[in-house]
Amino acid sequence: DGGITQSPKYLFRKEGQNVTLSCEQNLNHDAMYWYRQDPGQGLRLIYYSQIVNDFQKGDIAEGYSVSREKKESFPLTVTSAQKNPTAFYLCASTWGSGTGELFFGEGSRLTVL
Amino acid sequence: AQTVTQSQPEMSVQEAETVTLSCTYDTSENNYYLFWYKQPPSRQMILVIRQEAYKQQNATENRFSVNFQKAAKSFSLKISDSQLGDTAMYFCAFMNYQLIWGAGTKLIIKP
Repeated sequence: DGGITQSPKYLFRKEGQNVTLSCEQNLNHDAMYWYRQDPGQGLRLIYYSQIVNDFQKGDIAEGYSVSREKKESFPLTVTSAQKNPTAFYLCASTWGSGTGELFFGEGSRLTVL
Repeated sequence: AQTVTQSQPEMSVQEAETVTLSCTYDTSENNYYLFWYKQPPSRQMILVIRQEAYKQQNATENRFSVNFQKAAKSFSLKISDSQLGDTAMYFCAFMNYQLIWGAGTKLIIKP
């Protein structure tokens, strides 16, 4: 079945550590996105990529980094520079036509201890 | 700046009732898309319904329908014959060159 797989589902991190969240899709989508979700707020865009080897910062990119070496994969690294990393992270993908219909993974919950 | 506003942080209705979730947006664009997404407690976001701004006819998907008022920049979601499985966060989103999200409405369907 086609879909988006995020891992891990739950992750605990000590302060000062970098962590990488995985996002893989087999939908042959061109565009991939990372969102952060905090309680009581909508989704905030961290990074997005429309083609391989290219990505752009979203609204809250500070303290995060990404790569897009393969069409299927768009990992997100939460660095120690991110001051408040505890959040729910959602990965999404879509076709490159920009119609906005996103397909989401199940999310990753990151908790900093 | 383009914004999306959902004025109802939380709503609750009895099972089988009809409920309407509000969404307004602000844009100077004429061509865009509007969406309602659902995020159940399992947390996976799924698309409920989509509307192209150039279409006057309101979109409908089974029990879900929208009331799209372009001049008023309003895009409400109506859920008919609500079911327990409709309990979720509902997000309104606007798409032109980028996707702008509302803060969400928590909908609780009571048995």
